[in-house]
Amino acid sequence: EMQLLESGGGFLHPGGSLRLSCAASGFTFTNYAMNWVRQAPGKGLEWVSAISGSGVSTYYPDSVKGRFTISRDNSKRTLYLQMNSLRAEDSAIYFCAKQGRYFYAMDVWGPGTTVTVSS
Amino acid sequence: QSALTQPASVSDSPGQSITISCTGTSSDVGAYNYVSWYQQHPGNAPKLMIYDVTNRPSGVSNRFSGSKSGNTASLTISGLQAEDEADYYCSSYTGISTRYVFGTGTKVTVL
Repeated sequence: EMQLLESGGGFLHPGGSLRLSCAASGFTFTNYAMNWVRQAPGKGLEWVSAISGSGVSTYYPDSVKGRFTISRDNSKRTLYLQMNSLRAEDSAIYFCAKQGRYFYAMDVWGPGTTVTVSS
Repeated sequence: QSALTQPASVSDSPGQSITISCTGTSSDVGAYNYVSWYQQHPGNAPKLMIYDVTNRPSGVSNRFSGSKSGNTASLTISGLQAEDEADYYCSSYTGISTRYVFGTGTKVTVL
């Protein structure tokens, strides 16, 4: 069974940094692009970043570009999201999600980890 | 990249059919046949229901179907059941640099 499990969420003050992790199992991790998606309390889904299977290519929306960095360690089957210069509006549940191998959609999701940024 | 536009809520009785619209632009929904739909029950992660506009992943009921015309995609749920009550989000591929945009979300209520 394909599974993803996020960790690393927590409470921190504005301007702080945090690194999220996502452990993958049940599929050949290196074959798939991966994504981070977040959901602020009571709000909709927002795509946060993507990374190719090799890790060479990364993608971000303007809202996090320059502050967030996505990376992966294929030997450890783990996806990461380094978040710097955090703001209150970054408070959300962060989901990691596997992209389909031959289609642009996210077919496996983790349960999410909660990040709260507050003064 | 602005969020795709969905109706805030849709409701109907069990056994009926509903359609949720998802309106984007010629740069996202209109440009690619890479529209997907997700179902999210409260407190849970999203679940993929439709990909590439019309395709259902294995295990998803055939009561769910997708379509697209121009810059607007649609999800139809036929034979509405109590378990279909959830939030639904569309998403579109947006190209090589930014990849994805999600819709604003639609709350489906089974009366």
